[in-house]
Amino acid sequence: GAGVSQSPSNKVTEKGKDVELRCDPISGHTALYWYRQSLGQGLEFLIYFQGNSAPDKSGLPSDRFSAERTGGSVSTLTIQRTQQEDSAVYLCASADSGYEQYFGPGTRLTVT
Amino acid sequence: QKEVEQDPGPLSVPEGAIVSLNCTYSNSAFQYFMWYRQYSRKGPELLMYTYSSGNKEDGRFTAQVDKSSKYISLFIRDSQPSDSATYLCAMFNTGGFKTIFGAGTRLFVKA
Repeated sequence: GAGVSQSPSNKVTEKGKDVELRCDPISGHTALYWYRQSLGQGLEFLIYFQGNSAPDKSGLPSDRFSAERTGGSVSTLTIQRTQQEDSAVYLCASADSGYEQYFGPGTRLTVT
Repeated sequence: QKEVEQDPGPLSVPEGAIVSLNCTYSNSAFQYFMWYRQYSRKGPELLMYTYSSGNKEDGRFTAQVDKSSKYISLFIRDSQPSDSATYLCAMFNTGGFKTIFGAGTRLFVKA
């Protein structure tokens, strides 16, 4: 079946602009995660959704970051007023059971 | 101190070598221990998982967990160039929801 998809695959934006990153999880997966991966830094947890609710938003780096999930499916991560330090690969994962996460290919964000 | 420590490498080995990848952790509540493999410009994929302590074998791959030492390992036998990737250890506590990932070790297997 279809895996996790993310769009766009690459995004280049100017500093100060807003960006929206999209994640389509595997159908039926109730859990959805957003991570950020910088070079040599591993996976940084951003936010977790169970259904449409986000029990823990503590991983979001600043109030410029927000995320929502609608219909228990698609999720959007929004970064407002992008900064150069926001440049990274943003990964989405979905899960049926908590420990086995299925990752999308990521969105590579470059802020110039 | 990070919850999970993993040497980022890079680790370079000749084809056919046995590879040992390791992580240490500090939270004794972790119950699931996973290894993810990530190829360049791809998302991580789950390679193996182990529940609690012990060993688990899958083909050329063996995962070991020593909860008393808070130490986990992944062994790759007869390594192949196609094994060249970044390997991330990860840990999960069923009482929570968050998976904690190591920084990943970059592995290069030379033909």
